[in-house]
Amino acid sequence: DIQMTQSPSSLSASVGDRVTITCRASQNINVFLNWYQLQPGKAPKLLIYAASSLQSGVPSRFSGSGSGTDFTLTISSLQPEDIAVYFCQHSSSSSFIFGPGTKVDIK
Amino acid sequence: QVQLQESGPGLVKPSQTLSLTCTFSGGSITSATYSWNWIRQPAGKGLEWIGHIYASGRTSYNASLKSRVTISADTSKNQFSLRLTSVTAADTAVYYCARGFPYPWYMDVWGKGTSVTVSS
Repeated sequence: DIQMTQSPSSLSASVGDRVTITCRASQNINVFLNWYQLQPGKAPKLLIYAASSLQSGVPSRFSGSGSGTDFTLTISSLQPEDIAVYFCQHSSSSSFIFGPGTKVDIK
Repeated sequence: QVQLQESGPGLVKPSQTLSLTCTFSGGSITSATYSWNWIRQPAGKGLEWIGHIYASGRTSYNASLKSRVTISADTSKNQFSLRLTSVTAADTAVYYCARGFPYPWYMDVWGKGTSVTVSS
C-alpha cells in the first residue's frame, strides 16, 4: 500500500514569509497528488491538483511542484488568512490517500 | 453555485449504525462525470477517505472500512448517503462529503462537515 508523509508537521512563520511544505509518497505516484487547505468551520478547499495545477479561484501565491515521490506546496508570501492545516492527497480512480497534515500558523 | 451539505445525527450509540446524508445543490448527482465521496477526520488526526459512489451505482470503499460501509444515492432527492455499522468510539469524527472530479482525480467541492460522536 502507498503511504504518504508530510513535513514538517507544523510550522510558524511571519506574514510575508515564503513557506514550503513537503509531501512524500512511499512509491512512484506520477503527478497524482493534490493539496487541500482545512480551516475550522469551513469546507476544505482544493488548492492544487495534479501536483502543480492551480485550482480556479486560488490565490497565485500558492504553487505546487514535484513528481514521482517528492512534492512541495509553496506559499510565496504568507498571509494571515493562510492559517490552516494543509493536506496532500494521492489520488487514483478507486481510492484516495491523505498525508497526515501540516499545521501552519503565524509567528 | 454548487454546494454540498451534510446532515444526520450528531450522537450515535456504540454498536449502532451511523447514517449521514449529503445534499448536492447547483447541479445533479446523476452526472456520469463525477464521483460522490465521504471523508472523515477524527479529532486531532488526519483525513481518511471512506469511499465513493458514481451515478452508475458503482462504489469503491477504503479497505479498512469496507466490511462496515455502504454508500448509496437517491437521485430523486439529489442526495447520497453513508451507512457505517457497528460503530465504536474510534468512529467519532467530523464527516465530510465531497464531489470527485475525474482524471486526474481530485475533490473540487466539499461540504463543511458534520460532527458525529459515538458515545453511550
